[in-house]
This record gives sequence, structure tokens and C-alpha cells, in this order.
Amino acid sequence: GENVEQHPSTLSVQEGDSAVIKCTYSDSASNYFPWYKQELGKRPQLIIDIRSNVGEKKDQRIAVTLNKTAKHFSLHITETQPEDSAVYFCAATLYGNNRLAFGKGNQVVVIP
Amino acid sequence: NAGVTQTPKFQVLKTGQSMTLQCAQDMNHEYMSWYRQDPGMGLRLIHYSVGAGITDQGEVPNGYNVSRSTTEDFPLRLLSAAPSQTSVYFCASSYSGQNNSPLHFGNGTRLTVT
Repeated sequence: GENVEQHPSTLSVQEGDSAVIKCTYSDSASNYFPWYKQELGKRPQLIIDIRSNVGEKKDQRIAVTLNKTAKHFSLHITETQPEDSAVYFCAATLYGNNRLAFGKGNQVVVIP
Repeated sequence: NAGVTQTPKFQVLKTGQSMTLQCAQDMNHEYMSWYRQDPGMGLRLIHYSVGAGITDQGEVPNGYNVSRSTTEDFPLRLLSAAPSQTSVYFCASSYSGQNNSPLHFGNGTRLTVT
């Protein structure tokens, strides 16, 4: 299967509601899990990351949780705003941590 | 700092032509990499380098060559362009791939092969 999988592929939320995107990974040795946001026509930009020795990390309205046993991690966006509309990519390190493998991305649409 | 600079921004090639996509970073990053982005496929790793003089293959290396003669530059060469190489190409660097530090992306090169 894929090294990194994201669900759902598209997510629509009402402004002010929360959005949650889940990623699963296959390599139990993975130890770094970043999330990137990509707006239309722009480059991906890091929004938050977590390492395998931490279970949760928060930065204002954004949080990431990691479950190493189940090999999944999730992005949580609270109080969503229209500017949160974008494609979000999760990633995980592979093969001795020299490679970063990305999921296929989630399109998040925040409805005003 | 300019960060990661990619040139050109757009390029159209005919099948069989060769070209080099340029990537330079001024952050003294050890790790550099090339990804291609296709609709519905996410970002796929082509080649990467953990330091000057060291390169390795990623997930989709066929049809591409790289070299890393300096810390700053990591060009990607298309040997004989094919329509399947139509894509958006991103160069990215990080302080250290071994330490799993955040990747900084360039603005991308949109390549069309006809």
C-alpha cells in the first residue's frame, strides 16, 4: 500500500467549525510528521510538525496528534476561517529518515 | 535571505529535448531534494542529496539526473523529455535530512512537454 495515506480527500466545513484530517503511515521507524498547506498556485508551506516522542502539539488554532501504536496522525483546525481553504499535505519520514514521503493531499473548503 | 530559488518558472519543451531546472538556496542547508506534483498524486520525491557530493534516488527517479557539486546548488536534468514529465517541479531544502528538520520549498517550475 501507499507509504502515507490521507483521509478524506475533500472536506467542506462551515466557517467557525472544526476540521480534522487524518493520515496513516506504514513505516514504524518514521519519526517526523509535518503538515504542509498549499494555496492555489503557491508552494507548500509548513504549518506544524511533530516528532515521534511527542503525542500532541498545538499552535494557536492548529494542532497535530500522533498515535504511534496505530501509525496515524491527525491535523486539527479549530474556528475555521475562509483563509484556511487550501490543500493540506501530511508527510512522514522513510528509509532511515533521509526521505520525506507525502500523502496525496486533502482539499479543505471553508464555507462562509 | 532569498530562501530557495528555482528557475525558470515556466518551460515548454518538445519530446526528446533536454533541459536543466535550476535550484539554489542561501540558507546553508545540507539537505536538498526535488519533488514533482501531479493532480491527485501529491508530491513525489525524484532525487535528494544529504550534502555536497552525495545524491540518491527517490520514488520516481527515471528520466532525471542530479548532481550536488556545491552546498547551494542542486540542478535537475531532464535527459530526453517525455509528455509524462509534464508536471510542476518543486525544489526543497532543509537544515538536515538526518535531523528531520522542516523542508523549505521553492516557488516551483511548471513544465509542459509536447
